[in-house]
This record gives sequence, structure tokens and C-alpha cells, in this order.
Amino acid sequence: AQTVTQSQPEMSVQEAETVTLSCTYDTSESDYYLFWYKQPPSRQMILVIRQEAYKQQNATENRFSVNFQKAAKSFSLKISDSQLGDAAMYFCAYSSDKIIFGKGTRLHILP
Amino acid sequence: DTGVSQDPRHKITKRGQNVTFRCDPISEHNRLYWYRQTLGQGPEFLTYFQNEAQLEKSRLLSDRFSAERPKGSFSTLEIQRTEQGDSAMYLCASSRVGNQETQYFGPGTRLLVL
Repeated sequence: AQTVTQSQPEMSVQEAETVTLSCTYDTSESDYYLFWYKQPPSRQMILVIRQEAYKQQNATENRFSVNFQKAAKSFSLKISDSQLGDAAMYFCAYSSDKIIFGKGTRLHILP
Repeated sequence: DTGVSQDPRHKITKRGQNVTFRCDPISEHNRLYWYRQTLGQGPEFLTYFQNEAQLEKSRLLSDRFSAERPKGSFSTLEIQRTEQGDSAMYLCASSRVGNQETQYFGPGTRLLVL
């Protein structure tokens, strides 16, 4: 069975600094997709970034980038120039059809 | 805004009552998913549809839970004889067909069973 592990329940970062959220997963599939979703307090889940497993190049979306290490089954999210609006619960997720989520990392942005 | 919508946003009910939630997906999306999220946890998959066909159900979906998507558009999730352990956020997501397609989430229905 596929699993997703986020080992950091909470993290804090100073505004304008860079932070990296960790994620590891386990699967025997070769074709799958990885995502980071953001869930602000009392607001809906939104997609931050996605990575296709067959692509070696790491995905980037503006201030958000990933470090995808397929052999190590690692998929970390780097947020550069952190902003107050980045404060949220971040979920790492794996998908080959349905999505399997990690338990999340709550990110605090310190002004 | 033509995103995924869910109704109601909040529901309080007494133990033993039945509740029904509705999800309207993005109009061109063929796939519709239901997830359950308890406090401090990530969402857990319950079931999904492709058009009107229910293709997979999680073992989490006990026989008190039933989901339908009769015309391949909106979907309903019904919980019969609610229990306090059913208290959670119920999330709906939709996507185009294809495992590579991104799922877009609705705002969720928060259920509290007293």
C-alpha cells in the first residue's frame, strides 16, 4: 500500500526567509504523481505544485519549488521569500488515481 | 466562479439521524471524489466516480455511508444513523479523466454529530 509521511508536524519561518518542508512516500508503482496542497485555516485546499514521477526536472511555481528524489522516494517543498499569506497547513500527496495525503505540516510565518 | 461547490458548509446533527451532503463538480470534470478529514489529519479517500459509475470505495466507507452520482454531474453522500465518530470535514474534489489530472477541491462540509 502507498503511504505518505510528513515528519514535521509544525514549522516556523521568518517572513522573507526560505523554508523547506519534508515528505517521503512509499510505493511500488512506477507511474504516479506527487503534489503539495495548501489548506489555510478554515479555507479550502488548493494546489501549490505538482510533479510527474517520470520527469527528472524539479517542478517550480514562482516562489515554490520541489526537490524530487525518485530513488529515495523523497519530495520536499521549498518556499522562498516567505510571506504572511503562506501560513497554512501543507499536505504532501501521492496519486496514481485517488490521492493519498500525508498528515500535514503546519507552517507559521513570523513577522 | 466555477469551482467545486459543496452544500451545506456546516451541519450539526444528533446521533442516530441521517444526513446528506451535496457536491457540484467543475462542469467539464468527469471524475468526482469524496474524502474525509478529521481534525489535525490529512484527508482520507472514501470513494470516487467516473461519470455515474462508482469505481472504487474505501474500507472506511461503512454500510452506513452511500454515495451516488445519478446523472454524472452532482453527487450526494449520505450517512445513515450518524455516530459521533462521523464528525469530520467531508471534502469533494473533481478532475478530468486520467490519473495525471489534478484534483480540485471544494470548501468541504463540516459535520458535527452530538
